[in-house]
Amino acid sequence: GAVVSQHPSRVICKSGTSVKIECRSLDFQATTMFWYRQFPKQSLMLMATSNEGSKATYEQGVEKDKFLINHASLTLSTLTVTSAHPEDSSFYICSARESLALITEAFFGQGTRLTVV
Amino acid sequence: AQSVTQPDIHITVSEGASLELRCNYSYGATPYLFWYVQSPGQGLQLLLKYFSGDTLVQGIKGFEAEFKRSQSSFNLRKPSVHWSDAAEYFCAVFLLVGARQLTFGSGTQLTVLP
Repeated sequence: GAVVSQHPSRVICKSGTSVKIECRSLDFQATTMFWYRQFPKQSLMLMATSNEGSKATYEQGVEKDKFLINHASLTLSTLTVTSAHPEDSSFYICSARESLALITEAFFGQGTRLTVV
Repeated sequence: AQSVTQPDIHITVSEGASLELRCNYSYGATPYLFWYVQSPGQGLQLLLKYFSGDTLVQGIKGFEAEFKRSQSSFNLRKPSVHWSDAAEYFCAVFLLVGARQLTFGSGTQLTVLP
Protein backbone atom coordinates (compact mmCIF):
# COMPACT_ATOMS: atom_id res chain seq x y z
CA GLY A 1 0.00 0.00 0.00
CA ALA A 2 0.89 3.64 -0.23
CA VAL A 3 3.00 5.23 2.47
CA VAL A 4 2.22 8.31 4.49
CA SER A 5 5.01 9.68 6.62
CA GLN A 6 4.25 11.83 9.61
CA HIS A 7 6.89 13.77 11.50
CA PRO A 8 7.75 14.11 14.29
CA SER A 9 6.46 11.01 16.04
CA ARG A 10 6.80 12.66 19.44
CA VAL A 11 7.21 16.25 20.51
CA ILE A 12 7.28 17.98 23.84
CA CYS A 13 6.90 21.71 23.90
CA LYS A 14 6.45 24.47 26.40
CA SER A 15 3.12 26.11 26.91
CA GLY A 16 2.72 29.13 24.64
CA THR A 17 4.99 27.89 21.88
CA SER A 18 3.97 26.58 18.47
CA VAL A 19 4.52 23.14 17.03
CA LYS A 20 4.45 22.07 13.41
CA ILE A 21 3.58 18.53 12.33
CA GLU A 22 4.27 17.35 8.80
CA CYS A 23 2.37 14.79 6.80
CA ARG A 24 3.85 13.54 3.54
CA SER A 25 2.58 11.10 0.96
CA LEU A 26 5.72 9.35 -0.18
CA ASP A 27 4.71 7.46 -3.28
CA PHE A 28 1.46 9.00 -4.43
CA GLN A 29 -0.16 12.36 -4.91
CA ALA A 30 -2.75 13.34 -2.37
CA THR A 31 -5.18 16.07 -3.30
CA THR A 32 -6.86 15.64 0.05
CA MET A 33 -5.36 15.06 3.44
CA PHE A 34 -7.14 14.72 6.74
CA TRP A 35 -6.08 15.62 10.24
CA TYR A 36 -7.42 13.72 13.22
CA ARG A 37 -7.05 14.05 16.93
CA GLN A 38 -7.25 11.08 19.24
CA PHE A 39 -7.61 11.23 23.00
CA PRO A 40 -6.48 8.26 25.09
CA LYS A 41 -8.65 5.20 24.60
CA GLN A 42 -10.95 7.07 22.24
CA SER A 43 -11.65 7.06 18.56
CA LEU A 44 -10.28 9.39 15.94
CA MET A 45 -12.03 12.71 15.66
CA LEU A 46 -11.69 14.53 12.37
CA MET A 47 -10.33 18.01 12.87
CA ALA A 48 -10.05 19.27 9.32
CA THR A 49 -9.83 18.33 5.69
CA SER A 50 -6.91 19.78 3.83
CA ASN A 51 -7.10 20.36 0.10
CA GLU A 52 -4.04 21.18 -1.92
CA GLY A 53 -3.94 24.81 -2.94
CA SER A 54 -7.01 25.89 -1.01
CA LYS A 55 -8.12 26.61 2.52
CA ALA A 56 -8.75 23.74 4.85
CA THR A 57 -12.24 22.85 5.94
CA TYR A 58 -12.51 22.63 9.69
CA GLU A 59 -14.97 20.53 11.64
CA GLN A 60 -17.33 22.20 14.03
CA GLY A 61 -15.68 23.17 17.27
CA VAL A 62 -12.13 23.15 15.92
CA GLU A 63 -10.39 26.50 16.23
CA LYS A 64 -8.94 27.41 12.89
CA ASP A 65 -6.61 30.03 14.39
CA LYS A 66 -5.15 27.52 16.81
CA PHE A 67 -4.76 24.64 14.37
CA LEU A 68 -3.29 26.09 11.20
CA ILE A 69 -3.29 23.77 8.23
CA ASN A 70 -1.31 24.28 5.08
CA HIS A 71 -1.41 21.98 2.06
CA ALA A 72 1.02 23.60 -0.29
CA SER A 73 1.79 20.64 -2.50
CA LEU A 74 0.29 17.34 -3.57
CA THR A 75 2.55 15.47 -1.18
CA LEU A 76 2.75 17.66 1.91
CA SER A 77 0.32 19.01 4.47
CA THR A 78 1.29 20.62 7.74
CA LEU A 79 -0.59 21.16 10.97
CA THR A 80 0.68 23.91 13.24
CA VAL A 81 -0.59 24.03 16.79
CA THR A 82 -0.19 27.66 17.75
CA SER A 83 0.26 28.91 21.29
CA ALA A 84 -0.02 25.38 22.58
CA HIS A 85 -1.48 24.69 26.00
CA PRO A 86 -1.56 21.51 28.07
CA GLU A 87 -5.10 20.76 26.91
CA ASP A 88 -3.76 20.50 23.36
CA SER A 89 -1.73 17.48 24.41
CA SER A 90 -2.99 14.61 22.33
CA PHE A 91 -2.21 12.14 19.56
CA TYR A 92 -2.55 13.70 16.12
CA ILE A 93 -2.86 11.53 13.02
CA CYS A 94 -2.94 12.49 9.39
CA SER A 95 -4.24 10.54 6.47
CA ALA A 96 -4.08 11.03 2.73
CA ARG A 97 -6.30 9.96 -0.10
CA GLU A 98 -4.91 9.41 -3.53
CA SER A 99 -5.87 11.99 -6.12
CA LEU A 100 -8.35 11.27 -8.86
CA ALA A 101 -9.65 8.25 -7.03
CA LEU A 102 -13.38 8.33 -6.45
CA ILE A 103 -13.45 5.42 -4.09
CA THR A 104 -10.30 4.65 -2.29
CA GLU A 105 -8.92 3.88 1.07
CA ALA A 106 -7.12 6.49 3.09
CA PHE A 107 -3.57 5.85 4.17
CA PHE A 108 -2.53 6.90 7.62
CA GLY A 109 0.61 8.35 9.08
CA GLN A 110 2.11 6.92 12.22
CA GLY A 111 0.80 9.72 14.38
CA THR A 112 2.41 12.43 16.50
CA ARG A 113 2.26 12.40 20.27
CA LEU A 114 2.18 16.04 21.39
CA THR A 115 2.84 16.85 25.02
CA VAL A 116 2.58 20.44 26.15
CA VAL A 117 4.22 21.16 29.48
CA ALA B 1 -28.10 10.60 12.33
CA GLN B 2 -25.45 8.66 10.51
CA SER B 3 -23.29 6.62 12.82
CA VAL B 4 -20.92 3.74 13.21
CA THR B 5 -21.27 1.63 16.32
CA GLN B 6 -18.83 -0.79 17.85
CA PRO B 7 -20.79 -2.21 20.79
CA ASP B 8 -17.83 -3.85 22.52
CA ILE B 9 -15.38 -1.49 24.16
CA HIS B 10 -13.06 -4.24 25.31
CA ILE B 11 -12.81 -7.93 24.40
CA THR B 12 -10.52 -10.52 25.94
CA VAL B 13 -9.79 -13.82 24.27
CA SER B 14 -7.27 -16.58 24.79
CA GLU B 15 -4.57 -17.16 22.23
CA GLY B 16 -5.79 -19.64 19.65
CA ALA B 17 -9.45 -18.87 20.26
CA SER B 18 -11.71 -17.42 17.60
CA LEU B 19 -12.59 -13.75 17.52
CA GLU B 20 -15.49 -11.66 16.32
CA LEU B 21 -15.60 -7.89 16.62
CA ARG B 22 -18.91 -6.25 15.92
CA CYS B 23 -19.62 -3.19 13.80
CA ASN B 24 -22.99 -1.72 12.89
CA TYR B 25 -23.76 1.34 10.82
CA SER B 26 -26.82 3.46 10.25
CA TYR B 27 -26.82 5.05 6.84
CA GLY B 28 -29.46 5.33 4.18
CA ALA B 29 -27.28 3.82 1.50
CA THR B 30 -24.68 1.10 1.68
CA PRO B 31 -21.45 2.77 2.71
CA TYR B 32 -17.97 1.68 1.93
CA LEU B 33 -16.68 -0.22 4.93
CA PHE B 34 -13.25 -0.61 6.46
CA TRP B 35 -11.54 -2.22 9.41
CA TYR B 36 -8.34 -0.70 10.77
CA VAL B 37 -5.98 -1.85 13.52
CA GLN B 38 -3.96 0.45 15.73
CA SER B 39 -1.09 -0.63 17.95
CA PRO B 40 -0.25 1.60 20.93
CA GLY B 41 1.25 4.91 19.85
CA GLN B 42 0.94 4.05 16.19
CA GLY B 43 -1.14 5.10 13.24
CA LEU B 44 -3.80 2.97 11.63
CA GLN B 45 -3.23 -0.01 9.40
CA LEU B 46 -5.91 -1.17 7.01
CA LEU B 47 -7.00 -4.77 7.61
CA LEU B 48 -9.65 -5.04 4.92
CA LYS B 49 -12.32 -3.14 3.06
CA TYR B 50 -15.65 -3.72 1.37
CA PHE B 51 -16.78 -1.74 -1.61
CA SER B 52 -19.06 -4.13 -3.47
CA GLY B 53 -19.32 -7.72 -4.68
CA ASP B 54 -18.69 -10.73 -2.48
CA THR B 55 -19.92 -9.90 0.98
CA LEU B 56 -17.20 -11.96 2.65
CA VAL B 57 -13.89 -10.17 2.33
CA GLN B 58 -10.47 -11.40 3.23
CA GLY B 59 -7.86 -9.16 4.72
CA ILE B 60 -4.34 -9.24 5.99
CA LYS B 61 -3.11 -11.17 9.02
CA GLY B 62 -5.81 -13.83 8.61
CA PHE B 63 -8.74 -11.51 9.23
CA GLU B 64 -12.01 -11.59 7.36
CA ALA B 65 -15.23 -9.62 7.57
CA GLU B 66 -18.75 -10.21 6.36
CA PHE B 67 -21.08 -7.50 5.16
CA LYS B 68 -24.70 -8.18 6.03
CA ARG B 69 -26.99 -5.61 4.52
CA SER B 70 -30.06 -6.87 6.38
CA GLN B 71 -28.33 -6.34 9.71
CA SER B 72 -26.35 -3.23 8.71
CA SER B 73 -23.31 -5.00 10.04
CA PHE B 74 -19.72 -5.57 9.04
CA ASN B 75 -18.25 -7.85 11.69
CA LEU B 76 -14.57 -8.72 11.78
CA ARG B 77 -13.52 -12.30 12.43
CA LYS B 78 -10.41 -14.36 12.89
CA PRO B 79 -10.47 -18.13 13.46
CA SER B 80 -7.41 -18.29 15.70
CA VAL B 81 -6.06 -15.24 17.50
CA HIS B 82 -2.35 -14.68 18.02
CA TRP B 83 -0.82 -12.71 20.88
CA SER B 84 0.36 -10.12 18.37
CA ASP B 85 -3.26 -9.33 17.49
CA ALA B 86 -3.68 -7.44 20.75
CA ALA B 87 -4.48 -3.89 19.66
CA GLU B 88 -7.30 -1.43 19.12
CA TYR B 89 -9.62 -2.13 16.21
CA PHE B 90 -11.66 0.49 14.43
CA CYS B 91 -14.51 0.06 12.03
CA ALA B 92 -14.98 2.95 9.61
CA VAL B 93 -17.39 3.94 6.87
CA PHE B 94 -17.00 6.17 3.87
CA LEU B 95 -19.82 7.73 1.92
CA LEU B 96 -19.57 8.98 -1.63
CA VAL B 97 -22.13 11.68 -0.95
CA GLY B 98 -21.86 14.54 1.45
CA ALA B 99 -18.57 15.17 3.15
CA ARG B 100 -16.83 12.14 1.60
CA GLN B 101 -14.81 11.42 4.68
CA LEU B 102 -14.12 8.45 6.88
CA THR B 103 -16.22 8.16 10.01
CA PHE B 104 -14.85 5.90 12.71
CA GLY B 105 -16.49 3.79 15.33
CA SER B 106 -15.41 4.16 18.92
CA GLY B 107 -13.03 1.23 18.72
CA THR B 108 -12.68 -2.15 20.41
CA GLN B 109 -9.66 -2.93 22.52
CA LEU B 110 -8.56 -6.54 22.11
CA THR B 111 -6.60 -8.28 24.86
CA VAL B 112 -5.12 -11.70 24.14
CA LEU B 113 -4.40 -14.01 27.06
CA PRO B 114 -1.54 -16.50 26.80
